[in-house]
Amino acid sequence: KAGVTQTPRYLIKTRGQQVTLSCSPISGHRSVSWYQQTPGQGLQFLFEYFSETQRNKGNFPGRFSGRQFSNSRSEMNVSTLELGDSALYLCASTRPDSYEQYFGPGTRLTVT
Amino acid sequence: SQQGEEDPQALSIQEGENATMNCSYKTSINNLQWYRQNSGRGLVHLILIRSNEREKHSGRLRVTLDTSKKSSSLLITASRAADTASYFCATGSFMNRDDKIIFGKGTRLHILP
Repeated sequence: KAGVTQTPRYLIKTRGQQVTLSCSPISGHRSVSWYQQTPGQGLQFLFEYFSETQRNKGNFPGRFSGRQFSNSRSEMNVSTLELGDSALYLCASTRPDSYEQYFGPGTRLTVT
Repeated sequence: SQQGEEDPQALSIQEGENATMNCSYKTSINNLQWYRQNSGRGLVHLILIRSNEREKHSGRLRVTLDTSKKSSSLLITASRAADTASYFCATGSFMNRDDKIIFGKGTRLHILP
């Protein structure tokens, strides 16, 4: 069974631009969560989607948004990028009826 | 805010020794998980322990959970170079209708040859 895939793996953007990251969960997993990981703040929860609906949301500004499609693939978007948005963005899908999360390799975003 | 707090933040041991990492948390939980991350890559699920369990084993891993002290420990026996990684605890809570999994900041484990 294929694992969680994320595209792109690396991205360099300029302040003020926007970015869209994509995540394809493991087949059969309907829940997708997004995390931001930085050296200073660690792993912080952004949001979770289940069956195309946002089920949970972390404490991030409205510039961070996401969506999920009918095939469970998910995208997250960050608008008006700031230097502080430079981070590793991780996507995880959750095994049905479980709390176990399966992570993708991440997208390394650098904002200059 | 972070729920889990791992201790120590960093640990270096000789190959073959045992490594112990601790996690403390603040609120009631349904389960606690441990994950491993190798140098800036995705996290890998290691083990899940439910709130009504006290100890769980998986290969060279042993996890304990003390809900009265709100703490857990991860023991890796007979460490290997490949165990060098960051280890995170993640707590699962069912609060109202929200299921949240919250990660700590991790313990960086370095196995010396």
